[in-house]
Formats: sequence, C-alpha cells, structure tokens
Amino acid sequence: KNQVEQSPQSLIILEGKNCTLQCNYTVSPFSNLRWYKQDTGRGPVSLTIMTFSENTKSNGRYTATLDADTKQSSLHITASQLSDSASYICVVSASGGSYIPTFGRGTSLIVHP
Amino acid sequence: DSGVTQTPKHLITATGQRVTLRCSPRSGDLSVYWYQQSLDQGLQFLIQYYNGEERAKGNILERFSAQQFPDLHSELNLSSLELGDSALYFCASSVVGTGEQYFGPGTRLTVT
Repeated sequence: KNQVEQSPQSLIILEGKNCTLQCNYTVSPFSNLRWYKQDTGRGPVSLTIMTFSENTKSNGRYTATLDADTKQSSLHITASQLSDSASYICVVSASGGSYIPTFGRGTSLIVHP
Repeated sequence: DSGVTQTPKHLITATGQRVTLRCSPRSGDLSVYWYQQSLDQGLQFLIQYYNGEERAKGNILERFSAQQFPDLHSELNLSSLELGDSALYFCASSVVGTGEQYFGPGTRLTVT
C-alpha cells in the first residue's frame, strides 16, 4: 500500500532559525515527490517538485532533498519568517499515467517572533 | 492566485440535503481532481476527471458524484449530507505529463 509519513507532526521555532521537515514514503513505482505549503483554510501551494534523478532542489529559502534509495525526503527552511507558519505537505506520485498522488498528513510549523 | 476558481467559498446546509460545488480549472488544464480535507486531517483524494472522462477514483462515497463538462469545469455533488461531511473541499487542475497540480481556494462546507 502506498504511504507517505511525515515528521514531526508539529514544530515550533523562533523567527530566524532553521528547521528541517522529514518525509518517508513507500510509493512505488516512484514518479515524483512534491512539497506543498498550505496556509490555514487555503489551498496548498507547490514549493518544489523532484523526479527520481534529482536529489536537491531549492526555491528561495526552501531546499528539498530526495534520497530515492532510502525513499526519504527532507525540506529545509532557512532563516525562518513569521509567514512560514503553515502546514507543509509531502506528496508522492506513482508512475502509471494518472498521477494520482499520495499525501502525507503534513507538518504544522509555527514560527514565533 | 493559482488560476483555479471554486464556488461557493462557504456553504452551510442541513443534514440530508444536497449541494453542488463548482470548480473551473486553469486555462489549458484538462485534468481536474477533487479532494476532501476534514478538520486536522490530511487531504483525501476523491476523484479525477480528464477531458470530460472519469480517470481515477479514490475514497469517494457513493453519496458523492462528480462530472466534468465540455468547457472543462467540474462539479462535485454531495447528497444525503451527514455531519461528518463537514470539511474543506479542494479542486486542483494539472497539465498532463507533469504531475504538477494547482489547487483552488477551496469550498468550506458546514453541515448542521
């Protein structure tokens, strides 16, 4: 069964600090992995998308890594800002044409001043 | 702004009623996906349409149905509503071949 597990479930950090969120998956055969940011009550917004051959991708202060061998990904946030407070969702898609994704439950990040 | 629109933004209705949620995908996107997100829960995939045809089904209840029209907008119909159907319903659209999905702002359904 395809599964995506994220940790930690929630995280509180001080503004300006760095943090790393984890994602482990069992989706097979692997097609791509995406990280989304979801503000409360709003639709998810894509941060990064990585395929099998990519192991690092950055988007501003967000850097995602992928280890396809261990089926793990991480999202590193540098110099956090209050606006980074949100839920971060890891989404993994299997190959096969329809791109039906498997969603993680998300990590809730709170950045305090 | 993702380019995906959803109406209405909020909907309050009573148990046993039927509602219709509407989604307009980004211009040029042929695929539409529907998701349900209950309080403190992850996104649950309901159903996908591609160019008017049902492409994949997830955990969609028999009381729920959807369709995609020739102009590519989609509607999600929820009937015999129960309290547990209260949730955010998101629509997403995608370009075929990329897997990248663009989410709408969601419809918040409250069943009382």
